[in-house]
Amino acid sequence: GQNIDQPTEMTATEGAIVQINCTYQTSGFNGLFWYQQHAGEAPTFLSYNVLDGLEEKGRFSSFLSRSKGYSYLLLKELQMKDSASYLCAVWTNTDKLIFGTGTRLQVFP
Amino acid sequence: GAVVSQHPSRVICKSGTSVKIECRSLDFQATTMFWYRQFPKKSLMLMATSNEGSKATYEQGVEKDKFLINHASLTLSTLTVTSAHPEDSSFYICSAREEWNTDTQYFGPGTRLTVL
Repeated sequence: GQNIDQPTEMTATEGAIVQINCTYQTSGFNGLFWYQQHAGEAPTFLSYNVLDGLEEKGRFSSFLSRSKGYSYLLLKELQMKDSASYLCAVWTNTDKLIFGTGTRLQVFP
Repeated sequence: GAVVSQHPSRVICKSGTSVKIECRSLDFQATTMFWYRQFPKKSLMLMATSNEGSKATYEQGVEKDKFLINHASLTLSTLTVTSAHPEDSSFYICSAREEWNTDTQYFGPGTRLTVL
C-alpha cells in the first residue's frame, strides 16, 4: 500500500528555522515533491527531489534519502506568511502523485 | 509560466442536482489532467486521471458514474458531480501536465462545492 507520513501540526517563531519531516512507503518512486498550501487555495510548488541529497532554494531547502524513504523540508528565517500547510507528495512508478497527510505550520511573532 | 484555471471557484447547489466543474490549461497543451478532492484539514486524494481523447482512470473507491470526467480537448477537462449529496461537499482541485514534462503538474485554484 501507499503510506506517506508527516507531523500533523508544528509551531515556530518568526525568524526561526523549522524542519518538516516526511517518511514514505510507496509502490515505486520517481521523485518527491513539497508543496505549500494556504487555506482554501491550491498547492503551490516548492521543491522536487529525485536524487539523494539537499536541494537549496532561497529560504527553503529539501532533503531526500531514497534508501531510508525519508525527506525533510527546511524553512529558514521564518516569516508570518509561511503559516500554511506543507504537503509532501511522492510521484510513484504508476504515474500517480500521492500526497501525505500534510503539516499545518503556525508561525508566531 | 503554465497556468491552469478552474470554473467555478465556488458553487452551492441543492441535493440531487448535478454540478459541472471545468479545468483549463491556459497556455499549454495538457495531455493528462488529474482530479483531486480535499476534505477540510485533510490532504489531497487523487480521484481520477484523464488523458485527452480517452476514458478516465478512476482510483479505487471513486464511483465513475457519479463523478463523470471528460477530457475532450488538450486544454479542457470537466468533472461532473451527478446527483450531488451533502457528503460530496469538498474542495475539488485539478492539475494538468504536458506530454513532454511528465514530472511536473500544474494545479488549478480549486473549486469549493457545497451541497445543501
